[in-house]
Amino acid sequence: EPEVTQTPSHQVTQMGQEVILRCVPISNHLYFYWYRQILGQKVEFLVSFYNNEISEKSEIFDDQFSVERPDGSNFTLKIRSTKLEDSAMYFCASSTGQRRGDTQYFGPGTRLTVL
Amino acid sequence: AQKVTQAQTEISVVEKEDVTLDCVYETRDTTYYLFWYKQPPSGELVFLIRRNSFDEQNEISGRYSWNFQKSTSSFNFTITASQVVDSAVYFCALSMIPGANNLFFGTGTRLTVIP
Repeated sequence: EPEVTQTPSHQVTQMGQEVILRCVPISNHLYFYWYRQILGQKVEFLVSFYNNEISEKSEIFDDQFSVERPDGSNFTLKIRSTKLEDSAMYFCASSTGQRRGDTQYFGPGTRLTVL
Repeated sequence: AQKVTQAQTEISVVEKEDVTLDCVYETRDTTYYLFWYKQPPSGELVFLIRRNSFDEQNEISGRYSWNFQKSTSSFNFTITASQVVDSAVYFCALSMIPGANNLFFGTGTRLTVIP
């Protein structure tokens, strides 16, 4: 069964460093998303991406964040200058995008630790 | 405004007991989707069910059942004859139509099934 994959599973970085989190969505899906979950808290929406551009973004997704689909398979989240409060689990998700409300399938997550 | 409330932070049951996880949502939209996701200790988010606002039929899938009641804005999840493998955090989520395709998650209910 097709699944969303994410790399790395765990990333440790120093405050102020740039990190890139990578995701490979399910191959026939058209909508891609990033969510984050601070330890012990709920999952929060960051950004959605469709047709090579941002579709929606939350207040969390400020100028420090960017997303890109550099090729036909990868979908990346870049944090330019990490802060301590960026420490969280980051989930990538994808959906077919044929209609709103389609089920989003999540990857296993990348745990980001900012020291 | 949209909101998902899972008032039960933690629940513990003994194996083989039935357990119901509550979810109450708020939205001004007449068209929306509701979801349940499971987050086992390994951390990934596993899709369980998707239900649209026009379909109030209850659904049963094996030991899992869902009770959707628009009159009380609730979408409760029952596990029958619980098993240790059911131990996880369960999230209820809401997606509105029209609008952003992002999911609004509740704070989750941590279920512990004691052998």
